[in-house]
Amino acid sequence: GQSLEQPSEVTAVEGAIVQINCTYQTSGFYGLSWYQQHDGGAPTFLSYNGLDGLEETGRFSSFLSRSDSYGYLLLQELQMKDSASYFCAVSRNTGKLIFGQGTTLQVKP
Amino acid sequence: DADVTQTPRNRITKTGKRIMLECSQTKGHDRMYWYRQDPGLGLRLIYYSFDVKDINKGEISDGYSVSRQAQAKFSLSLESAIPNQTALYFCATSSGQNPYEQYFGPGTRLTVT
Repeated sequence: GQSLEQPSEVTAVEGAIVQINCTYQTSGFYGLSWYQQHDGGAPTFLSYNGLDGLEETGRFSSFLSRSDSYGYLLLQELQMKDSASYFCAVSRNTGKLIFGQGTTLQVKP
Repeated sequence: DADVTQTPRNRITKTGKRIMLECSQTKGHDRMYWYRQDPGLGLRLIYYSFDVKDINKGEISDGYSVSRQAQAKFSLSLESAIPNQTALYFCATSSGQNPYEQYFGPGTRLTVT
């Protein structure tokens, strides 16, 4: 079968660094994507890791370890506007995405 | 203008009614998807289409059907709506080169009473 696990909730303070982990189990693994969704909004693409290692995009970074079936999203210099849900999604060789259940990040002043 | 649009944005319907949700995109993407989101759950794939002549079932296709009228249009139908189909529905698109980067519409909030 296939599964993705990520924490349901994370809380951090403004200016801090937070890491959201994602472990997966799937066949035909191609890569790991991350999406952000604000309350009431549409998911928006943040990053993609097709290879092992770290990808950096501004304050956000994403990491993948294929051997450990594990990845994470790292958010630095947290801002209040980063309060949202974050989804990891496995990209399979079929071209489909399988989404995790999401992590709700609450940033406090 | 939004690249991916969905109509209606909100809909309340009764059990047993047929309802259609529509999606249009101006991104020029070949691939289109319909997802369903329930509180506390991730996005679950209902149907997807890699081009006009290609339609595929996703994880939860029972009770749904789709039509790809053109490259830019992909509609989702609930043949006979049931309360269990009350959810937030998203349409998404992607290119074939970057299928992992999907662009989502604003969503349709559907309530079946």
